[in-house]
Amino acid sequence: AQTVTQSQPEMSVQEAETVTLSCTYDTSENNYYLFWYKQPPSRQMILVIRQEAYKQQNATENRFSVNFQKAAKSFSLKISDSQLGDTAMYFCAFMKYGTSYGKLTFGQGTILTVHP
Amino acid sequence: DAGITQSPRHKVTETGTPVTLRCHQTENHRYMYWYRQDPGHGLRLIHYSYGVKDTDKGEVSDGYSVSRSKTEDFLLTLESATSSQTSVYFCAISDRGDSYEQYFGPGTRLTVT
Repeated sequence: AQTVTQSQPEMSVQEAETVTLSCTYDTSENNYYLFWYKQPPSRQMILVIRQEAYKQQNATENRFSVNFQKAAKSFSLKISDSQLGDTAMYFCAFMKYGTSYGKLTFGQGTILTVHP
Repeated sequence: DAGITQSPRHKVTETGTPVTLRCHQTENHRYMYWYRQDPGHGLRLIHYSYGVKDTDKGEVSDGYSVSRSKTEDFLLTLESATSSQTSVYFCAISDRGDSYEQYFGPGTRLTVT
């Protein structure tokens, strides 16, 4: 079974600064996908970024980028130029490649607050 | 936004009563999922479906059952609600079931007193 751990229950950052959220995972699988989801106060779950484990290049989506370290089983999310709208809970999630029916395993979440 | 609705959005019920939550999609996606969200646990998979009448258990399925008689609807039933089932329940859908984004519904807050 896979486990996902987010060791930072809460983080805060000033507007326009950069913040990094940590995520580690444990799996015996070699092929898998990793995700970061955002949940703002509206409670809606929103996909932020996705990484395929077989790709060495780190994924980037505008101000969001990841640092994927496969050997260390680490998958951190960097948010650059933080904005007030980035205030949310962020979840790291794991999906096994192939016949997993798309089942996601989530971490506990990190609450990020962006201060003006 | 993906067309996913959940009903009811809020419910308060008493211990021992059966409860059914409904997830309805207009996207014709094959895969549907039920998760529960609890502080300190993130989201945990309860049950999922990979087609009409095809369902299977997730990691926290005890006390829950599901049914999917048509593509657009996925029902989650708490057979006899307990206080430990107080939670926020999310439905999600996916068209591929692997690697692809899951689209989440707005959630249902259930309180069992």
